[in-house]
Amino acid sequence: DTEVTQTPKHLVMGMTNKKSLKCEQHMGHRAMYWYKQKAKKPPELMFVYSYEKLSINESVPSRFSPECPNSSLLNLHLHALQPEDSALYLCASSQPWTTYEQYFGPGTRLTVT
Amino acid sequence: KQEVTQIPAALSVPEGENLVLNCSFTDSAIYNLQWFRQDPGKGLTSLLLIQSSQREQTSGRLNASLDKSSGRSTLYIAASQPGDSATYLCAVTHTGFQKLVFGTGTRLLVSP
Repeated sequence: DTEVTQTPKHLVMGMTNKKSLKCEQHMGHRAMYWYKQKAKKPPELMFVYSYEKLSINESVPSRFSPECPNSSLLNLHLHALQPEDSALYLCASSQPWTTYEQYFGPGTRLTVT
Repeated sequence: KQEVTQIPAALSVPEGENLVLNCSFTDSAIYNLQWFRQDPGKGLTSLLLIQSSQREQTSGRLNASLDKSSGRSTLYIAASQPGDSATYLCAVTHTGFQKLVFGTGTRLLVSP
């Protein structure tokens, strides 16, 4: 099973709302990633968790707060977002110290109004 | 800073043609290179992964090659089909890092 699942598929939120994106994988991977993708652009890395610890933060604004409660789950907590944060948010996973091949989920389409 | 470029940016071909997508990267100290496919509004599907020590990988009608010293990779698609229409992205990983650096993408349209 090489599946990464993400919920919800679509999310519309106001600038004062608090919401969370969820990502789950059951491949036993110990690295998980959040990417942001704007229309007609390649994905841009936001965060990397390795063995449940934050290893890379690509200078993402604090209104995005990642959380890795266990090796299978990755959350992205959203608060006080701006309209320019509207994008497709992709989660991925890989196994460190092997091929590092990344497997992606279907994404969450976020619209900030 | 690693930069990854893909040529062409867009490609339109009739069904049945063989085609080549190009990917170039500026820093040859890579750990591996992945080719992905992305349908509109969807996630990324991993097509092929080439380790830095490998020269090529094949999966069905797809063949990817890697020339690390020249900073180039190509994705060859044989006998293209309308279902191959999508955006194709290449991405490189550096040794010691888990960060994928993506190319600019090639939008492929295969007409019946």
